[in-house]
Amino acid sequence: KAGVTQTPRYLIKTRGQQVTLSCSPISGHRSVSWYQQTPGQGLQFLFEYFSETQRNKGNFPGRFSGRQFSNSRSEMNVSTLELGDSALYLCASSLGVSAEAFFGQGTRLTVV
Amino acid sequence: GQQLNQSPQSMFIQEGEDVSMNCTSSSIFNTWLWYKQEPGEGPVLLIALYKAGELTSNGRLTAQFGITRKDSFLNISASIPSDVGIYFCAGRYSGGGADGLTFGKGTHLIIQP
Repeated sequence: KAGVTQTPRYLIKTRGQQVTLSCSPISGHRSVSWYQQTPGQGLQFLFEYFSETQRNKGNFPGRFSGRQFSNSRSEMNVSTLELGDSALYLCASSLGVSAEAFFGQGTRLTVV
Repeated sequence: GQQLNQSPQSMFIQEGEDVSMNCTSSSIFNTWLWYKQEPGEGPVLLIALYKAGELTSNGRLTAQFGITRKDSFLNISASIPSDVGIYFCAGRYSGGGADGLTFGKGTHLIIQP
């Protein structure tokens, strides 16, 4: 069974640009959540989707958004990038909202 | 918001030693999860706990969900070199509001041969 797939693995963007990250969950999993990992703040919850609906949202500005498609694949978008957005962005999938979460390898975003 | 205090921050141990780390929360959780992360990789789920008092093992790893629902510990017995990595606890409260996982800051395990 394939795990969680995130693309791309690495990304370099310039301040002010926008970026879209993609996540394909484990087959059969309907819940996808996104996390930001930085050395200073650790792992922080961004948002969670279940059956194409955003269920929960963490404490991040509106520049961070996401969506989920009917095949459970998810994308997250960050607009007007800032230097502080440089981080490892992790996607996790689970069968349901409260079930065990399995993570992908992450997308390393560097904003210059 | 919910906060998780994970300790110790780092551990330097000899191969073969047992390891113990724990997490405490300012509020209750319904679920405790323990993950291991290695450089350049995403966190890998080690153990999931769903019930207060639950004690679960996965090979040399044992974790417990505290009775108060505000704490959890992870023990690793007879450590080996491949146990090196950062271990994270994560809790979830599924009672409304932000139901995403809240993570501890991690315990960095370093094993000296």
